[in-house]
Amino acid sequence: SQQGEEDPQALSIQEGENATMNCSYKTSINNLQWYRQNSGRGLVHLILIRSNEREKHSGRLRVTLDTSKKSSSLLITASRAADTASYFCATDPLILGANSKLTFGKGITLSVRP
Amino acid sequence: DTGVSQNPRHKITKRGQNVTFRCDPISEHNRLYWYRQTLGQGPEFLTYFQNEAQLEKSRLLSDRFSAERPKGSFSTLEIQRTEQGDSAMYLCASSPGPLGQFFGPGTRLTVL
Repeated sequence: SQQGEEDPQALSIQEGENATMNCSYKTSINNLQWYRQNSGRGLVHLILIRSNEREKHSGRLRVTLDTSKKSSSLLITASRAADTASYFCATDPLILGANSKLTFGKGITLSVRP
Repeated sequence: DTGVSQNPRHKITKRGQNVTFRCDPISEHNRLYWYRQTLGQGPEFLTYFQNEAQLEKSRLLSDRFSAERPKGSFSTLEIQRTEQGDSAMYLCASSPGPLGQFFGPGTRLTVL
């Protein structure tokens, strides 16, 4: 079953603009991760935020986590055409013996127009 | 390229045939995961290995599916008597611990 729900489902922006993607989840987590997937390919790990962290940065990426609202956001600043891809949030559940298996949302399709 | 390889990249088979996929993880990673992804959906967990031990299997993994990881290195996923509903992308991931997984390019299975 899919725990995460991303919002919006699709996003189209102009190159240079910022893209904000949101994710909500249902159960308690160890951490939340964002992945990118280019069409028909595997997933690339972008950033991980632990449950005791509120904000994290990596290059042009900024991720926030609000565990009280069970939500996260991913901000990509100064977007480029190469950022066009599907973006997924994935949660590592806080369950004994969960083995860090990830539960993914359905993904957000980001299109960056040149 | 994450360092995780999967073969074949594409497989077309007829309903009822058996298929086997291979995953070569990053060599020092003791954790290995298989996921399945259908069109328009996120990946769904299938099974997990720590070294050679298969520690968890999803309800999605029916008895037609079997996975192995002999010697804790590469892993294989076999589907017997394939059905059209098995058509999907099969993704393998490895990790050294609980802080992020490295995914392979996937094997796209089409069952005719």
